[in-house]
Amino acid sequence: QVHLKESGPGLVKPSETLSLSCSVSGGSIGTYFWSWIRQTPGKGLEWIGDVYYSGNTNYNPSLKSRVTISVDTSKNQFSLNLNSVTAADTAVYYCARGGGYDPKFDSWGQGTLVTVSS
Amino acid sequence: EIVLTQSPGTLSLSPGERATLSCRASQTVISTYLAWYQQKPGQAPRLLIYGASSRATGIPDRFSGSGSGTDFTLTISRLEPEDFAVYYCQQYANSQGFTFGQGTRLEIK
Repeated sequence: QVHLKESGPGLVKPSETLSLSCSVSGGSIGTYFWSWIRQTPGKGLEWIGDVYYSGNTNYNPSLKSRVTISVDTSKNQFSLNLNSVTAADTAVYYCARGGGYDPKFDSWGQGTLVTVSS
Repeated sequence: EIVLTQSPGTLSLSPGERATLSCRASQTVISTYLAWYQQKPGQAPRLLIYGASSRATGIPDRFSGSGSGTDFTLTISRLEPEDFAVYYCQQYANSQGFTFGQGTRLEIK
């Protein structure tokens, strides 16, 4: 069974870039879409974007100008960069398998809380 | 933009009872693109139903999904103590990607 685990700083300063990685174990990153999803008490669950193992990406239109998602198949991991962050980007960030033409998220990481504060 | 509205916001039931959760879309959703998740405190969401009515791997058959168009339903036929959680519906639309409903909290009465 595939296992996903997020890693990265838990605290980011306003206007800086939030960077997270997701390590995939128990299966290959190939032939799947991989997504980033965040959750806040106010906005609930919000899909950020996805990446195919080939490197093709799709982004939430509301975040597209600030988001970059990439994949490293040699390391079996994918990453999220979100720039120009504000307090509104404080959330629990999840990585998940699914997205693109596979319209369900069938495996999730445990989630990591990222706080944006000076 | 398709908005998913879940009702009720909170559902209070007892173990053994039947739970019916609603997810209404502001525009037609292709059934293939409708999924349901369960989330317990401190945990990630877990996929229950995809394609509106297909159970995910390992999901008990007391969970079922139905519906089409703009109205979808998650039914739990006989509640077990571990079923009390928050439930979310999710859809995909080409123009906006994936969106989630605001959730229904299923609590013990």
